Amino acid sequence: EVQLVQSGAEVKKPGESLRISCKGSGYSFTSYWISWVRQMPGKGLEWMGRIDPSDSYTNYSPSFQGHVTISADKSISTAYLQWSSLKASDTAMYYCARQIRGFWFDPWGQGTLVTVSS
Amino acid sequence: QAVVTQEPSLTVSPGGTVTLTCGSSTGAVTSGHYPYWFQQKPGQAPRTLIYDTSNKHSWTPARFSGSLLGGKAALTLSGAQPEDEAEYYCLLSYSGARPVFGGGTKLTVL
Repeated sequence: EVQLVQSGAEVKKPGESLRISCKGSGYSFTSYWISWVRQMPGKGLEWMGRIDPSDSYTNYSPSFQGHVTISADKSISTAYLQWSSLKASDTAMYYCARQIRGFWFDPWGQGTLVTVSS
Repeated sequence: QAVVTQEPSLTVSPGGTVTLTCGSSTGAVTSGHYPYWFQQKPGQAPRTLIYDTSNKHSWTPARFSGSLLGGKAALTLSGAQPEDEAEYYCLLSYSGARPVFGGGTKLTVL
């Protein structure tokens, strides 16, 4: 079964750093891009950026460029989303998703809830 | 960055038909935007319904269909079921491989 399993919920303080993960299984991890999508509380979906795990090439939405870093470790079939200095406005659910072709996403991870509060 | 627009909310009667639309601030939506449609139910991750304008995922019920209509992407639900009550998001792909989601349509089956 093809799966993306994300790391668990996080509670952080403003200014702290964080890295969340997305582990793929059941398929060749380096054959498909992984995208990250944000969903703020009660709001819609926002595409953040994506990575090609075969060579770690990335591209970002202009809205997120410079605010987050997407990386991957193909040896353990895991993609990452990280922040160097969190803000309260980073509080959201974050989903990873495998791109089958174009932006046809399947599957999606179960989501990681990040809460940033002092 | 382009803005993608959807109806904030729609209501359909059980067994009825409803069309959700997806427009772009840059002009007409074409097949070159490869329109995608996603369904999200409360507390769940989204899942893909339609890709590349009109192609269905393996699990997509036959009552859902995608098309281009009047310069917009459209998702038509024919024969609505109570389990179709959900939030629906479209996604359009723009040059530079930077897709943009619409704001979502909350569909009520009532």
